Amino acid sequence: GNSVTQMEGPVTLSEEAFLTINCTYTATGYPSLFWYVQYPGEGLQLLLKATKADDKGSNKGFEATYRKETTSFHLEKGSVQVSDSAVYFCALRGDSSYKLIFGSGTRLLVRP
Amino acid sequence: NAGVTQTPKFRVLKTGQSMTLLCAQDMNHEYMYWYRQDPGMGLRLIHYSVGEGTTAKGEVPDGYNVSRLKKQNFLLGLESAAPSQTSVYFCASRSTGGETEAFFGQGTRLTVV
Repeated sequence: GNSVTQMEGPVTLSEEAFLTINCTYTATGYPSLFWYVQYPGEGLQLLLKATKADDKGSNKGFEATYRKETTSFHLEKGSVQVSDSAVYFCALRGDSSYKLIFGSGTRLLVRP
Repeated sequence: NAGVTQTPKFRVLKTGQSMTLLCAQDMNHEYMYWYRQDPGMGLRLIHYSVGEGTTAKGEVPDGYNVSRLKKQNFLLGLESAAPSQTSVYFCASRSTGGETEAFFGQGTRLTVV
């Protein structure tokens, strides 16, 4: 079945550092890929998405590129801020599927 | 501008008690989902619904039942709560078509003692 694997956290960075959170997936066909963010005490919010190979999703300085050849959708940001501290979830929705499948989440802590 | 609303936000149950979690959305979405979030395990899908009157099992349905009698509401029931059901529960909804965004509620923190 479909699945998502994320790097384990927590990831601790200093402000203005470069961020990468790895995400790989297993799915047949051409799934749609998503990154969601969860701030403390809140529900999840969509951060960005990509629906076909080589698409790049971007939002709030975050980017992720849909790489079918490596089945990956890594999240990157060039310069993180303290306000980016949150839990980040990679997710996929498979072809002809109603289900949205999530990875285990990666906690990011950005120190001033 | 309510979006997805979950009630209650917190609850403590004794083993064997029953309860119902309510999810309400005001966006006229067809699809609704119930997830549980546990440390180190991310979000796991319990049940979902693709329209009024329909429900389907997700990854971890055992011990839970659901109903979608009205399009805007999706109820999650625990008939006989167990400590293993201690978790944070999230409801989500999304519309049909394309690659639509899922909107999440604020969560319900349930503790079973």
